[in-house]
Amino acid sequence: QKEVEQNSGPLSVPEGAIASLNCTYSDRGSQSFFWYRQYSGKSPELIMFIYSNGDKEDGRFTAQLNKASQYVSLLIRDSQPSDSATYLCALGRGANNLFFGTGTRLTVIP
Amino acid sequence: EPEVTQTPSHQVTQMGQEVILRCVPISNHLYFYWYRQILGQKVEFLVSFYNNEISEKSEIFDDQFSVERPDGSNFTLKIRSTKLEDSAMYFCASSVAGIGDQPQHFGDGTRLSIL
Repeated sequence: QKEVEQNSGPLSVPEGAIASLNCTYSDRGSQSFFWYRQYSGKSPELIMFIYSNGDKEDGRFTAQLNKASQYVSLLIRDSQPSDSATYLCALGRGANNLFFGTGTRLTVIP
Repeated sequence: EPEVTQTPSHQVTQMGQEVILRCVPISNHLYFYWYRQILGQKVEFLVSFYNNEISEKSEIFDDQFSVERPDGSNFTLKIRSTKLEDSAMYFCASSVAGIGDQPQHFGDGTRLSIL
């Protein structure tokens, strides 16, 4: 079983819609969860991090964590073409490293 | 906003040669990291560094790799004898505190091409 699983996509949504990105993980001991955005050929850019069960909102982004079900999701409201990118889910692993999923490619259609 | 800076942006090296990738972490950050991303694959952890020593390393970080903080600002990754499979994007990251407390911020990366 993969440690971090993401649907590779592509996920296509129309401009203005809600994009929902999901991530499941296998290590029940994981305590910290991160969403990064990566444009093609660029570095990962932190969007949000979440440590506690429930929802965390920041502008158009909402991260949701359910440790019992071992999933973390990212909702993007009012999606814009500039949101088109690959979204990486990452877990805090060990004391100091991130374990990344393969990412979900999102395309927002104008 | 403070940034992690990496140089060079692109490095082309002959197989078997040594290469040094350089990073300047964000100034008040205490934890430093190297990751790599082979084209089309996921981002992989290489090593973390704190208090002038390696705190964690992955299986990828074998004896061919080393890290150093030669002065108060730079953080370097050295690959002693490069192989074709070392071709990848190498990202440096830094954070104020350990992963349970603070997120990591990434530099723009160095694209390493081994010929």
